[in-house]
Amino acid sequence: QKEVEQNSGPLSVPEGAIASLNCTYSDRGSQSFFWYRQYSGKSPELIMFIYSNGDKEDGRFTAQLNKASQYVSLLIRDSQPSDSATYLCAVILNSGNTPLVFGKGTRLSVIA
Amino acid sequence: DAMVIQNPRYQVTQFGKPVTLSCSQTLNHNVMYWYQQKSSQAPKLLFHYYDKDFNNEADTPDNFQSRRPNTSFCFLDIRSPGLGDAAMYLCATSPTSGDTQYFGPGTRLTVL
Repeated sequence: QKEVEQNSGPLSVPEGAIASLNCTYSDRGSQSFFWYRQYSGKSPELIMFIYSNGDKEDGRFTAQLNKASQYVSLLIRDSQPSDSATYLCAVILNSGNTPLVFGKGTRLSVIA
Repeated sequence: DAMVIQNPRYQVTQFGKPVTLSCSQTLNHNVMYWYQQKSSQAPKLLFHYYDKDFNNEADTPDNFQSRRPNTSFCFLDIRSPGLGDAAMYLCATSPTSGDTQYFGPGTRLTVL
């Protein structure tokens, strides 16, 4: 079983809609969760991190963590064409003292 | 501004000709990472340094080596590049292990 899984997409949403990106992870004891945005040909850019169950909001972005169900999601409200990118979910596994484990990413396309 | 810098941004080499990629950081982070990323794939961790403590991933080919002469600089040496080594090489840093990682802009390597 892969450690961090994401639907590769593409996920297409109309401009102004809510985009919902999901990620599941296999290690129940995982502690820290990150969302990175990566434009084509560019390096990953940190969007948000979340450590505790529940929601964390930052502007148009909301991260949601459910440790019991082992999933973390990213909601993008009022999606813009500039949000079109690949979104990488990354997790620090149970040991806590390890590098990030990345999912393969979900490609989001916001249609104007 | 504190940042992670990679040079060069684009590198073209010939099959079998050694190449060195450079990363520097002004964040004074203890940990530095090298990732390889191919098209539509997740970043793949090659190595990381916690201070001067070198950690090699089990599946990193022997063709890849790394040096960290001081806190600020880290190098990736590819001794005999093959066509399969063409990729984006990403350097990242974090304050400590198990912490948020910050990426440089990447070096796009082409092997002819």
